[in-house]
Amino acid sequence: DTAVSQTPKYLVTQMGNDKSIKCEQNLGHDTMYWYKQDSKKFLKIMFSYNNKELIINETVPNRFSPKSPDKAHLNLHINSLELGDSAVYFCASRETGLAGPDTQYFGPGTRLTVL
Amino acid sequence: KQEVTQIPAALSVPEGENLVLNCSFTDSAIYNLQWFRQDPGKGLTSLLLIQSSQREQTSGRLNASLDKSSGRSTLYIAASQPGDSATYLCAVVYAGKSTFGDGTTLTVKP
Repeated sequence: DTAVSQTPKYLVTQMGNDKSIKCEQNLGHDTMYWYKQDSKKFLKIMFSYNNKELIINETVPNRFSPKSPDKAHLNLHINSLELGDSAVYFCASRETGLAGPDTQYFGPGTRLTVL
Repeated sequence: KQEVTQIPAALSVPEGENLVLNCSFTDSAIYNLQWFRQDPGKGLTSLLLIQSSQREQTSGRLNASLDKSSGRSTLYIAASQPGDSATYLCAVVYAGKSTFGDGTTLTVKP
């Protein structure tokens, strides 16, 4: 069984378009994250949700809007895509919120290419 | 602001060698530190998690240590195998937020 799944796996689109990436976890975790890994392989946190509430919002353009319809899902919508948005986006989940030693589980990633 | 550095950026060793990957962080106020493995084009796989109160964790041929006071962690891989070739990332966790290092890309030659 897949613990953290993301769709689509690959996304190729034109500059200026709006696109969404979906994430689902079947681990019963309370906390979910979105990370961006750029071409230099640097992995940086974007957002974190705990029980559908936004708890971490790094300095991310407001073209990026996360949405958590329930505890098991955290989707990422991106408006007016730019070339610099090309990256691999990883979703992750964790059992507890701000504290605790729990392991993060990562999805397989979504490779976004903006042309 | 927490900064995480991994040295070396790349490492190539012959099969069978023991090796050490290094991770250093600037703020010792952490909940835990986690080591991940990332294969090309794949997601991250958790290898070991060390709680802030622990000094080390072991899993098979892997041993991770943590020295909070000096802001350092090491990942020791014993008897390396070609299948160990991957990028290894360390992440420091505090207040629900993970800060990742840039990773060390390991190549184990047969």
